[in-house]
Amino acid sequence: GESVGLHLPTLSVQEGDNSIINCAYSNSASDYFIWYKQESGKGPQFIIDIRSNMDKRQGQRVTVLLNKTVKHLSLQIAATQPGDSAVYFCAENMGGGTSYGKLTFGQGTILTVHP
Amino acid sequence: EAGVAQSPRYKIIEKRQSVAFWCNPISGHATLYWYQQILGQGPKLLIQFQNNGVVDDSQLPKDRFSAERLKGVDSTLKIQPAKLEDSAVYLCASSLDEGREQFFGPGTRLTVL
Repeated sequence: GESVGLHLPTLSVQEGDNSIINCAYSNSASDYFIWYKQESGKGPQFIIDIRSNMDKRQGQRVTVLLNKTVKHLSLQIAATQPGDSAVYFCAENMGGGTSYGKLTFGQGTILTVHP
Repeated sequence: EAGVAQSPRYKIIEKRQSVAFWCNPISGHATLYWYQQILGQGPKLLIQFQNNGVVDDSQLPKDRFSAERLKGVDSTLKIQPAKLEDSAVYLCASSLDEGREQFFGPGTRLTVL
């Protein structure tokens, strides 16, 4: 079946560096994407989302880029801090009707930030 | 505002035993979700409720898993009998309505021996 996946399972950076986490999706019908952060022992926490009619969206220290041509999503974290260490998941949402709330999650990338 | 509450936080059982998990969503949230997260993987949706009705249970193994949300608020997820492969974190999430932001609880970590 179609799925969302990540290129790299782990990413290690120094504090203050910028981090880029990538995600490839295969369902061209997906119209809504979300990035989640999951810390150990906690549930996923919403970071930022983007709709398919956009190619970039910025939040506080985070930017999500969407390239629909190659079905690629990325999360950029500026000035990465130790508190950013977590597992990051991208998720896609088919949109429309009763499936709008059905999220399909990727495998996840472990981000480790070294002081 | 209180978040999504789940209990217990941890549970260890032997295979073929039964287990139940409880979820209390954020007050006023009409939509409730149960996810299964196997170690090293992303969460997988098991069932979605809209108030007390089931919207999607296509990925729920109905031969052993059941869930209910009788009064449209709290929900329970049951596994009977449990198998080794059911070892996972079971996450509950709620949203104000379908298509709105989902807020996750801390999860229940189940270990089946």
